[in-house]
Amino acid sequence: EAQVTQNPRYLITVTGKKLTVTCSQNMNHEYMSWYRQDPGLGLRQIYYSMNVEVTDKGDVPEGYKVSRKEKRNFPLILESPSPNQTSLYFCASRDLRYGYTFGSGTRLTVV
Amino acid sequence: AQKITQTQPGMFVQEKEAVTLDCTYDTSDPSYGLFWYKQPSSGEMIFLIYQGSYDQQNATEGRYSLNFQKARKSANLVISASQLGDSAMYFCAMSELYNQGGKLIFGQGTELSVKP
Repeated sequence: EAQVTQNPRYLITVTGKKLTVTCSQNMNHEYMSWYRQDPGLGLRQIYYSMNVEVTDKGDVPEGYKVSRKEKRNFPLILESPSPNQTSLYFCASRDLRYGYTFGSGTRLTVV
Repeated sequence: AQKITQTQPGMFVQEKEAVTLDCTYDTSDPSYGLFWYKQPSSGEMIFLIYQGSYDQQNATEGRYSLNFQKARKSANLVISASQLGDSAMYFCAMSELYNQGGKLIFGQGTELSVKP
């Protein structure tokens, strides 16, 4: 089954404690991206990757890092999380014709 | 600048009836894609339907169809024969292929409630 697997689904952490949200896709897509969803602000792109070792900033990259060492994986790293990074996060990979497949989402709470 | 507008924050529909969710977009790029996603209360984003800017015919996927009016820059979603399970948030989105790798720009969403 074609899918994007995102983990964890839920995470509560404390300010400043480094965390990684993993994302893996099995569709051999070159393009992957991360979004965050916030009430009143909608969905906004954090980072994207056009291929292995090719990443670039989206609209809200501050406080986040990504890496793309292999095609299937695109982890999102928060080196020093802060409460304003409390959000619902989505990883997505893209088929050029049919658009994006999203992961199930990660609800992150930073206290 | 590219923009997606959904003017209906919330809508109600009777079960088994059809409903249209409105979406207008703005772009200066002739090559773009339009998408609709469903987000149930559980939070996941479910792809419903896609329309390319050069597609001649309106897209259809089962009970979903996209009423694409290019000159008006509108891409309304039509759900036929609504079901209780259709109650969810619905997002219209646009992607310009060569803008930041084709990032999706989302509208603010429409919350659809299906009444029995």
